Amino acid sequence: KNEVEQSPQNLTAQEGEFITINCSYSVGISALHWLQQHPGGGIVSLFMLSSGKKKHGRLIATINIQEKHSSLHITASHPRDSAVYICAVNSGGGADGLTFGKGTHLIIQP
Amino acid sequence: DAGVIQSPRHEVTEMGQEVTLRCKPISGHDYLFWYRQTMMRGLELLIYFNNNVPIDDSGMPEDRFSAKMPNASFSTLKIQPSEPRDSAVYFCASTVGHLNQPQHFGDGTRLSIL
Repeated sequence: KNEVEQSPQNLTAQEGEFITINCSYSVGISALHWLQQHPGGGIVSLFMLSSGKKKHGRLIATINIQEKHSSLHITASHPRDSAVYICAVNSGGGADGLTFGKGTHLIIQP
Repeated sequence: DAGVIQSPRHEVTEMGQEVTLRCKPISGHDYLFWYRQTMMRGLELLIYFNNNVPIDDSGMPEDRFSAKMPNASFSTLKIQPSEPRDSAVYFCASTVGHLNQPQHFGDGTRLSIL
């Protein structure tokens, strides 16, 4: 069973700061996902990646398969980025169920 | 486009009662997943289906939990009898397997067992 570790667990920053959230996993994967969960509870997929780097707006996700590590970066952070960010992995060869990290609770203060 | 639809959004019931959670996946998606989220354990996979067939139910806690997918547009997760420790948010998600797409989550059902 894959073990997914995230750091930090909690992060408070000022508006405009560059944010980095880290994720490591123990066993080879087919894909890694970054999810966002707002206080209302809904979960939204931000990225799904199996190699390299992806960018969407102010969000950037990178993965290093050899080191079993991924990072999520937020540039020019804004209070609306406040949410829980969850790293998850597919361990099987196809669309199998996700194994999740415990999440990073991010608060961006104005 | 309609997303994954779950019902009810909230359910409060007494211990021992039967609880049925419902999920309608996105049309055309061939994979459906049930997850549970608690403060202590975070998000966990309970069971998932491919083309209406259960593939992995190793995450189902015990025999009190059962899940069915009678057709491509509907799935249920049933708890009978319910216990206070079943209180959690239950999410349904769906995806298209062969297109290497992310999973789309429903809004969840917040279940409280008194």
